[in-house]
Amino acid sequence: AQKVTQAQTEISVVEKEDVTLDCVYETRDTTYYLFWYKQPPSGELVFLIRRNSFDEQNEISGRYSWNFQKSTSSFNFTITASQVVDSAVYFCALSEEYNNNDMRFGAGTRLTVKP
Amino acid sequence: GAVVSQHPSWVICKSGTSVKIECRSLDFQATTMFWYRQFPKQSLMLMATSNEGSKATYEQGVEKDKFLINHASLTLSTLTVTSAHPEDSSFYICSARRQGALSYEQYFGPGTRLTVT
Repeated sequence: AQKVTQAQTEISVVEKEDVTLDCVYETRDTTYYLFWYKQPPSGELVFLIRRNSFDEQNEISGRYSWNFQKSTSSFNFTITASQVVDSAVYFCALSEEYNNNDMRFGAGTRLTVKP
Repeated sequence: GAVVSQHPSWVICKSGTSVKIECRSLDFQATTMFWYRQFPKQSLMLMATSNEGSKATYEQGVEKDKFLINHASLTLSTLTVTSAHPEDSSFYICSARRQGALSYEQYFGPGTRLTVT
């Protein structure tokens, strides 16, 4: 069964610090998709990124970057020069191609960025 | 494009009553919709998957007679919490998969906060 582990329950940093959110996954499928979502206090999920299992290229989008490593089954997310507006709960999720592609979420990491 | 709405955004009901939550795909047709539940400070847990015109598939541990799901059209799925109790208080989120889209594409609604008193 697919499984996503976000070992960091809460992280607190001071503005402008870099922070990395860890995500480790388990799957038996060769075709799968990994996601990161941001959930601000309003509750609405904000899609950040999707990666498929055949694309291990790291990605950078502004202050956000993602490091996908199949060898360690990890899909970590780094925020550079964090800002107060980055404070939210961040979820990593996994979707398997041959399991109806329902999405399984990690426990989430609550990030607090202090001014 | 690919907007999903939920109604209501929040609801308070008394214990023992039933409440219906709607999930609509506004600008696309959704063959599959998913319902998730999120308790405070916890993760999203998949409750059920519904395909248009057929019965929903419930995850283990989710009571299908208590959480009635109807996906009667390609743009609307409803979740009815029957005989609600305080322990059903939660944040309910739906997502929709667009007809003809790649299998991994899901679009999430904004969620419905249910409080049972």
